[in-house]
Amino acid sequence: DAKTTQPPSMDCAEGRAANLPCNHSTISGNEYVYWYRQIHSQGPQYIIHGLKNNETNEMASLIITEDRKSSTLILPHATLRDTAVYYCIVADSWGKFQFGAGTQVVVTP
Amino acid sequence: DGGITQSPKYLFRKEGQNVTLSCEQNLNHDAMYWYRQDPGQGLRLIYYSQIVNDFQKGDIAEGYSVSREKKESFPLTVTSAQKNPTAFYLCASSIAYEAGYEQYFGPGTRLTVT
Repeated sequence: DAKTTQPPSMDCAEGRAANLPCNHSTISGNEYVYWYRQIHSQGPQYIIHGLKNNETNEMASLIITEDRKSSTLILPHATLRDTAVYYCIVADSWGKFQFGAGTQVVVTP
Repeated sequence: DGGITQSPKYLFRKEGQNVTLSCEQNLNHDAMYWYRQDPGQGLRLIYYSQIVNDFQKGDIAEGYSVSREKKESFPLTVTSAQKNPTAFYLCASSIAYEAGYEQYFGPGTRLTVT
């Protein structure tokens, strides 16, 4: 079973920030939190990952709680092209990923 | 361009036939993976390989076989023993950084068995 829990779907208005939550209460000390997204019928695309510190790149920000049991992916200014399924993954020490069902994000005009 | 190539994009086979899906990467990554995705579901790991001539079963390996004779190639054979082979198949490779891993995915092969 996947080690993460995400809401099945969420809507976001274009231009607004999208905040995607993820629970990973059984995460162990050496496991990273990864976020990927998958646009319909394509391969998943890497977004960001982190261990315990907050991370930011050109696509998104990742906020990890101090106890590391949950995290939030922030898309600062959602566009229509951000409509996709977003996966939160906790990976073991050499990158064996377990994908859950993810969150279907729909960005509306 | 660097990346992962999967071919063909669509594949049709008759029930009872074995079929091999191609996956090639020119990223010089050591590790490669095969996933299966069913409609509305997440990805499930079939097989993975951390190094040439070595591979391990993932969560749903029954009815599948792989080989890793070259670093850049990791073909997947869907055998007639796989009860529900129709699915979207994704290949990935990964590189380890000092701070975690990053997996790159191919475009996928959609297999239909009738």
